Formats: sequence, C-alpha cells, structure tokens
Amino acid sequence: GQSLEQPSEVTAVEGAIVQINCTYQTSGFYGLSWYQQHDGGAPTFLSYNGLDGLEETGRFSSFLSRSDSYGYLLLQELQMKDSASYFCAVRGKAAGNKLTFGGGTRVLVKP
Amino acid sequence: EAQVTQNPRYLITVTGKKLTVTCSQNMNHEYMSWYRQDPGLGLRQIYYSMNVEVTDKGDVPEGYKVSRKEKRNFPLILESPSPNQTSLYFCASSRQKQETQYFGPGTRLLVL
Repeated sequence: GQSLEQPSEVTAVEGAIVQINCTYQTSGFYGLSWYQQHDGGAPTFLSYNGLDGLEETGRFSSFLSRSDSYGYLLLQELQMKDSASYFCAVRGKAAGNKLTFGGGTRVLVKP
Repeated sequence: EAQVTQNPRYLITVTGKKLTVTCSQNMNHEYMSWYRQDPGLGLRQIYYSMNVEVTDKGDVPEGYKVSRKEKRNFPLILESPSPNQTSLYFCASSRQKQETQYFGPGTRLLVL
C-alpha cells in the first residue's frame, strides 16, 4: 500500500518561511503533488514534482528526493491568506491511478 | 467556466435510504474520482474512473457504488447509507496521467 506522513500543524508569523515535510512509503509512484485547502473550501492544486529536485512557483516551492522517500513544500513570505491545510499526495504505479493523500498539515499564520 | 459541480451541497438523510450525489465536469477530463474527508484522516479515495465504463476501487470503497456512463458525469451512490458514512465528499477530475486534479465544492452528508 501507500502511506504518507505530514506534521499535523505548524504556526508561523507573517513574512516567515514554513517548510512542510512529507515522508512516504510506496512501492513506486509517478510523482508527489501538493494541494491547499482553506476552511470550508475544496482542495486546489499547488505543485507537482515528477523528478527529484526543486520546483518553484512564486512564493511556493516543492522538493522531492526519491532516494530519501521525502518531499517538502516551502512557503515563503507568509501571508495571512496562506492559513490553510496543505496535503501531499502520490499516485502509485502499482496501484494504477489510485491517489493517496497525507493527513494534511494545518498552517496558522499569525500577524 | 471550467468547473466540477456536485449536487446536493448539503444532505441530511436517514439510515438505509438510498441516495445519489451527482458530479459533473465540463473540461472533457478522462479521469474522475470521489474522496471522503474526515477530521484527522485527510482525503481518502473511494472510487476512481479512468474513462467511460472504466471504474476501480480506491482505499475505502465499502458501502459505495459508482458508474461512468458518460465522460462528464460520475455519480456516487449510497445504496443503504449508515451513520459512519457521515462525511464531507469531494469529486475531482483531471486529464489522463496529469497530476492536476480539479475538485468540486464538496457535499456535506449527515446520516442519522
């Protein structure tokens, strides 16, 4: 099967940098995705790492290391609107197109 | 506007009364799936479909059925709902082998 672990909650102040780690166990997968979900809203896609290394999209960056079974999402120059839950997800090759999400990390940004 | 729609958005029902939650997308996506979200458990995939007439079980399929007769629609059927199916349900779609999934607004279900 597939499993992903993330910290449950992170608190930081505006302007700070937050790193959300995601460790996973899977027999083989296509890549690691990240989604953001505000309270009461639907998840929205943030980024995808198909290859090892860093992907940058504005203030958000995502990293993958397949050899370490590890990835992270980096939120820079935190803003109040970044307060949300963040989920990592993998689509396993052995599992066809089945997508497995981590439990989510709740980020609370304080003024 | 490109979107995934779900209906109803909120539903209160009683144990054993069959219900269907509809999902429709207007992006011509091949891949569609259903998730349930429960506190502390994140998003868990119920069923997914890689194309018309092709469906497969996710991680938590028990108590649910799906069908994919048309590309745009992927209804979720609860034949005999039970209280443990009280949850927030999301439908999502994407292009085949594309990682960007587009989620519907969610359906909050309460089974009494």
